[in-house]
Amino acid sequence: KQEVTQIPAALSVPEGENLVLNCSFTDSAIYNLQWFRQDPGKGLTSLLLIQSSQREQTSGRLNASLDKSSGRSTLYIAASQPGDSATYLCAVCRRGGSNYKLTFGKGTLLTVNP
Amino acid sequence: AAGVIQSPRHLIKEKRETATLKCYPIPRHDTVYWYQQGPGQDPQFLISFYEKMQSDKGSIPDRFSAQQFSDYHSELNMSSLELGDSALYFCASSPGQGPYEQYFGPGTRLTVT
Repeated sequence: KQEVTQIPAALSVPEGENLVLNCSFTDSAIYNLQWFRQDPGKGLTSLLLIQSSQREQTSGRLNASLDKSSGRSTLYIAASQPGDSATYLCAVCRRGGSNYKLTFGKGTLLTVNP
Repeated sequence: AAGVIQSPRHLIKEKRETATLKCYPIPRHDTVYWYQQGPGQDPQFLISFYEKMQSDKGSIPDRFSAQQFSDYHSELNMSSLELGDSALYFCASSPGQGPYEQYFGPGTRLTVT
C-alpha cells in the first residue's frame, strides 16, 4: 500500500526566506507526482506536476524535484512571501483498477511571517 | 479557461438524510475522480469513471453510489448520512484514461448535523 509522508508537518519562516518542503513515498511505482496548495477550507490548487521520467519542474519561485528511486520529492520556494502561507500537499499518481488515482500526504502547513 | 464545476458548494443535511453532489468536468475531459477530505485530513480517493464506466473504487462506503452520465458529468449519491460523512468532497477530471494531470474543482462542503 502506497504511503505518502510529508515533513515537516508545520513550518514557520520570516518573509524572504528560501525554504524546502519534503515528501516521501513508499512505492516507487508512480507515474507522476503533483504538488498542491490548499488555503484553509478551500480547494486544491495545482502548483507543479512532475512526470516519473523527469527530475524537476519549475514555475516562478517554485521548483520541485523528484527522485523516484529513493521515493522522495522536494518543493523549493524561493523568497517566501506572506501570501505563500497555506497547506502544501504532495500527491503521487499510481495505477488503480483500470485507471489512475492520487494518494496524498497529510501536508505541510506553511506560515510566512511579515 | 473552463474549470471543473461542482454543485452545490455547501450543503447541510441531517443524519439519515440523502445528499447528491454534482460534478461537471472540463470540456472534452472524459475521466472523473471523486475524493473525500475529512476535517484536518488528507484527501482520500473514493471512485473514478472513464467513458461512463466505473474504473476504480477506493474507500467508498456502500451507502454511497456514483455514476457518470452521457455528457460526462458525474453525481455522487450519499444515503443514510452519518456525522462522519461531514467533509469536503472534491471532484477532479482528466483528458483520458491515463496518468494525466488531474484538475480539481472547488469542492462541496457537506455538513451533517
